Amino acid sequence: GAVVSQHPSRVICKSGTSVKIECRSLDFQATTMFWYRQFPKQSLMLMATSNEGSKATYEQGVEKDKFLINHASLTLSTLTVTSAHPEDSSFYICSASGQGDRAEAFFGQGTRLTVV
Amino acid sequence: GQNIDQPTEMTATEGAIVQINCTYQTSGFNGLFWYQQHAGEAPTFLSYNVLDGLEEKGRFSSFLSRSKGYSYLLLKELQMKDSASYLCAAVDSNYQLIWGAGTKLIIKP
Repeated sequence: GAVVSQHPSRVICKSGTSVKIECRSLDFQATTMFWYRQFPKQSLMLMATSNEGSKATYEQGVEKDKFLINHASLTLSTLTVTSAHPEDSSFYICSASGQGDRAEAFFGQGTRLTVV
Repeated sequence: GQNIDQPTEMTATEGAIVQINCTYQTSGFNGLFWYQQHAGEAPTFLSYNVLDGLEEKGRFSSFLSRSKGYSYLLLKELQMKDSASYLCAAVDSNYQLIWGAGTKLIIKP
């Protein structure tokens, strides 16, 4: 299957700082990338969908000024958590699709963010 | 609205068989995925069904009935490493994934 690389896998940051998470498709062109958030023992919650070269579409309740998403190329999307607070601590996962109409989601490894 | 239902938690014995059910209601339908997710890790792909019937892949099989809006994941010869959450996701008419909340499977010796 296709490979999606997400970096970093773990990050600890101080409250008030910003953190950038990268998601790269290594062997295919990802026309669409998805960013999810997952709290312990809960399912994936879609935060936003981004198409290459376009502004991201955010789900209801997700602050677009706080969670900045950039999808500048067909192989890279970034999520920046700005002015992070402890309640932003979570597991963030990206997925990418781009292989025809099957819409299979190829996931990155996930990023465990802890804001202290 | 769009909705995916699957049991929250199931328990089974090592070596046994377990069936995890998933029912869905979506605007259009373009297939259904099953993913496995171990705690603290990203989901990994298990199966994809778009036609009615059973697809077998080793110890795991997945079944789909489009007329009933129903799927199940069948796990045979359970191993302790199968303890994980199993996520069902349906693809709607816009090719967006609609996720279930996941079924936590606990395997006991």
